[in-house]
Amino acid sequence: KAGVTQTPRYLIKTRGQQVTLSCSPISGHRSVSWYQQTPGQGLQFLFEYFSETQRNKGNFPGRFSGRQFSNSRSEMNVSTLELGDSALYLCASSRSGTDTGELFFGEGSRLTVL
Amino acid sequence: QKEVEQNSGPLSVPEGAIASLNCTYSDRGSQSFFWYRQYSGKSPELIMSIYSNGDKEDGRFTAQLNKASQYVSLLIRDSQPSDSATYLCAVNYNNDMRFGAGTRLTVKP
Repeated sequence: KAGVTQTPRYLIKTRGQQVTLSCSPISGHRSVSWYQQTPGQGLQFLFEYFSETQRNKGNFPGRFSGRQFSNSRSEMNVSTLELGDSALYLCASSRSGTDTGELFFGEGSRLTVL
Repeated sequence: QKEVEQNSGPLSVPEGAIASLNCTYSDRGSQSFFWYRQYSGKSPELIMSIYSNGDKEDGRFTAQLNKASQYVSLLIRDSQPSDSATYLCAVNYNNDMRFGAGTRLTVKP
């Protein structure tokens, strides 16, 4: 059974640019949630999508957005990048949602903003 | 005020000892509680979930929940060097997953 796949694994951007990250969940999983992980702030919830609908959103500015497609694949976009956006972005898939807590994480996309 | 708090550690225990990891949370309406393990350079993986007050055992791991005190703990019995990792406490409140900063555990042979 294939795991959660995130692309790209590494990327370098400059301030002001935008970036799109992709996440393919485990087959049959309808929930995809996104997290930002930094040494200072730990793992912070960005948003969750379930069956193409955003179910919840964390406390991040509107520059962070996402969407989910009919095949459950999800993308997140960060516009007008800032230095502080440098982080590991993790997505997690779940069969029924984050309330069960049974999240399966991808390996992450490490973003560096210069 | 942080919503999920853990001692950052590091916590060091000898091989074979019991490791005790603690977590407190602020939202009294939280319903679901989880422990994730994250090895250095790897992604978190779920090791325990607990939903009701009391203890839940799974092999060498025991999760304890006390909703009145807003407290969750994880006990690792017979600790092994392979248990050396960062342990993340997670709390779900209205589909909002909140993680603690993690406790780094080192098990010394």
